[in-house]
Amino acid sequence: DAEITQSPRHKITETGRQVTLACHQTWNHNNMFWYRQDLGHGLRLIHYSYGVQDTNKGEVSDGYSVSRSNTEDLPLTLESAASSQTSVYFCASSESRNSPLHFGNGTRLTVT
Amino acid sequence: QKEVEQNSGPLSVPEGAIASLNCTYSDRGSQSFFWYRQYSGKSPELIMFIYSNGDKEDGRFTAQLNKASQYVSLLIRDSQPSDSATYLCAVNNQAGTALIFGKGTTLSVSS
Repeated sequence: DAEITQSPRHKITETGRQVTLACHQTWNHNNMFWYRQDLGHGLRLIHYSYGVQDTNKGEVSDGYSVSRSNTEDLPLTLESAASSQTSVYFCASSESRNSPLHFGNGTRLTVT
Repeated sequence: QKEVEQNSGPLSVPEGAIASLNCTYSDRGSQSFFWYRQYSGKSPELIMFIYSNGDKEDGRFTAQLNKASQYVSLLIRDSQPSDSATYLCAVNNQAGTALIFGKGTTLSVSS
């Protein structure tokens, strides 16, 4: 069955370190998204991509970057981790712009 | 900033009752509307989507859309304790860039 896999599931890092969260999908979807979820804020869009070599900033993109070198993967990089980036991160993909999102299981990131 | 608003709850209903969850959105050009369920510590899972004005039924779930009022709702009939979760409303904006999520409504179904 097609799926979307995030790794690691849990990560603890120190302030100032670079961190990369992996996202791999086997749906063959062109559209991929990164969201963060925090209490009181719900799910907020970080970055998204509509295809290889395409990346776009979302609502809360400061301090994050993504790259899309193939259809299956959209890694999320925190250039210099900050405590404010402690959150649960969800990767998602969709078949088209009006299609439902398929979510990964999430990565819980703690920045100390 | 386009917004999606939901009452955070908690919404408490007895087992077997109808639960009504509501959502309003600000982008008049929105075309696609989704309801997700999220259990604590888990990822969101799709319950229903609706694109046209009116009602759409799927089992115990009914989604209702009123674009003129910019309002979408989810009815859960014969509520079960297993329905206890947070329900997220999501709306695709007119540009179709991505889904904007509400903060979610927590539903508690008591047996």
